[in-house]
Amino acid sequence: AQKITQTQPGMFVQEKEAVTLDCTYDTSDQSYGLFWYKQPSSGEMIFLIYQGSYDEQNATEGRYSLNFQKARKSANLVISASQLGDSAMYFCAMRALLYTDRGSTLGRLYFGRGTQLTVWP
Amino acid sequence: DAGVIQSPRHEVTEMGQEVTLRCKPISGHNSLFWYRQTMMRGLELLIYFNNNVPIDDSGMPEDRFSAKMPNASFSTLKIQPSEPRDSAVYFCASSFRGANNNEQFFGPGTRLTVL
Repeated sequence: AQKITQTQPGMFVQEKEAVTLDCTYDTSDQSYGLFWYKQPSSGEMIFLIYQGSYDEQNATEGRYSLNFQKARKSANLVISASQLGDSAMYFCAMRALLYTDRGSTLGRLYFGRGTQLTVWP
Repeated sequence: DAGVIQSPRHEVTEMGQEVTLRCKPISGHNSLFWYRQTMMRGLELLIYFNNNVPIDDSGMPEDRFSAKMPNASFSTLKIQPSEPRDSAVYFCASSFRGANNNEQFFGPGTRLTVL
């Protein structure tokens, strides 16, 4: 079974500081993808960053970077220079292969329970 | 690009009534996903389609739930009969299966309240 663990229900950071949101995953698959989504209070799900299991470089997207440690099965999100607008719920997710009688295909996204980030001035 | 479109945005109904949620994926996307989000269970996948064919429906809670995708531009999630425990936000998402990062684009969600 696929499992995503986010151990921090809530995090607080001061504006302009960096913050790391933790995510560990459990899979026996060799090929998978890791995602981070942001959900502000308005409710929409916003894609932030993606890391493929075979990517050797850590993914970066603007102020977001993914600290991928494959041996530890961790995919922490680092937000640099936090802004007030970063206050939201952050979800880590993993997509692995689905094996069927016709071979393998991309499977579902498994989500963690989320981390509520609050940025204060 | 209009993004993933869901309707209605809010639905309030009484227990026992039929509820139909609708989704229009992004044009050109070939995978569609239905998720449910609650405080108790978080985000959970209900079902997903590749090229209009259901691939994994193991997340569908019970027979009261059904989903269809009659064509590449439309999908429905039906609950019949609805129960108070079905109250949740239901998200539809779509992606292009050949995309490098397989990003799923989420719709705004439908907030369902069953009284």
